[in-house]
Amino acid sequence: AQTVTQSQPEMSVQEAETVTLSCTYDTSESNYYLFWYKQPPSRQMILVIRQEAYKQQNATENRFSVNFQKAAKSFSLKISDSQLGDTAMYFCAFMNGGGSEKLVFGKGTKLTVNP
Amino acid sequence: DAGVTQSPTHLIKTRGQHVTLRCSPISGHKSVSWYQQVLGQGPQFIFQYYEKEERGRGNFPDRFSARQFPNYSSELNVNALLLGDSALYLCASSLTVNTEAFFGQGTRLTVV
Repeated sequence: AQTVTQSQPEMSVQEAETVTLSCTYDTSESNYYLFWYKQPPSRQMILVIRQEAYKQQNATENRFSVNFQKAAKSFSLKISDSQLGDTAMYFCAFMNGGGSEKLVFGKGTKLTVNP
Repeated sequence: DAGVTQSPTHLIKTRGQHVTLRCSPISGHKSVSWYQQVLGQGPQFIFQYYEKEERGRGNFPDRFSARQFPNYSSELNVNALLLGDSALYLCASSLTVNTEAFFGQGTRLTVV
């Protein structure tokens, strides 16, 4: 069974600074996808970034980028130029390839951006 | 375009009762998944339906059931409610399998 571990329950960062959230996962599969989701107090889960395991290039979405280390099974999220609106719970998630829609989530990291 | 819509947004039920939660996917999306998120935890997968057929089931008791209708909307049913069923229930839809999942705002279920 796949597992996702987020070792940082809470983090804080000053506005405009950079922060990195950690995630490790365990799987024996070779075809899979990794995601970072953001859940603000409004409760709605919002996709931040997605990485296909077969792609060596790290995914980037504006101020958000990942460091995907496949051999180490590590998938960290870097947020640059942090904004107050980035304050939220961040969840790392894993999905098997091959037709499954099952997302396996970590326990989350609560990120607070301070003014 | 409307996103994933869930109803109701909040619900209070008594132990032993039955509850039905509803989800309308984004127009054109054929896959719907359900997740349970207990306070302070990440969401846990309950069910996935694609083209009205169950494609996956998480480690939940038989008190939990679901179905998908011809218009791709979905219902999650929970029988004989327990206090431990209190959680945020999230629905996600996607165009097909292995594509981006879009989540609704969830139904907050409280069992007293």
